[in-house]
Amino acid sequence: GEDVEQSLFLSVREGDSSVINCTYTDSSSTYLYWYKQEPGAGLQLLTYIFSNMDMKQDQRLTVLLNKKDKHLSLRIADTQTGDSAIYFCAESKDAGGTSYGKLTFGQGTILTVHP
Amino acid sequence: DAGVIQSPRHEVTEMGQEVTLRCKPISGHDYLFWYRQTMMRGLELLIYFNNNVPIDDSGMPEDRFSAKMPNASFSTLKIQPSEPRDSAVYFCASSRVGQNYGYTFGSGTRLTVV
Repeated sequence: GEDVEQSLFLSVREGDSSVINCTYTDSSSTYLYWYKQEPGAGLQLLTYIFSNMDMKQDQRLTVLLNKKDKHLSLRIADTQTGDSAIYFCAESKDAGGTSYGKLTFGQGTILTVHP
Repeated sequence: DAGVIQSPRHEVTEMGQEVTLRCKPISGHDYLFWYRQTMMRGLELLIYFNNNVPIDDSGMPEDRFSAKMPNASFSTLKIQPSEPRDSAVYFCASSRVGQNYGYTFGSGTRLTVV
């Protein structure tokens, strides 16, 4: 089955690092994604990682994947007030079956950054 | 590219009325998805299309909901009759086969049924 779980809330101080965690159940997941949703807007792709990778870094963002534990995390370094948003974890599979192209999303983590 | 375009941005309607939400996907994308977002349920996949053909509509809540994709550049989500519990933000997203970086979302339509 497909299930993606996230903690609902995270609060950090400006300048600190934020770590948002996600667990998934489908071991055949091929790609894992992090999306950001700002108030009143749609979801915006932040970054993604292929399942044969352990880590991916993109400027202030670091994605860590523990495939054995089916655990994904997003670390935001030097968190700014503009990073306050909802962050969604999602997974998808490669070609094959009707699940191809379909993302399964977590419920989202609300990140609040305090000055 | 202008991205995924949804209209209207906001819709307020009375219970019992028909509501039609519209989506224009990114040119060249062959998958189109309709999602609904509420505080209680989070992000729910309603239906998705591949090459204009509905693939999975198991998320459509009731027969009051219907979706069409008459061509590659246009899709509609219709609710008839609408009810207050349909109030939500409805998102359309599109993607392309082989594009392994997820979907591109539209800005959403905020629907309020009073």
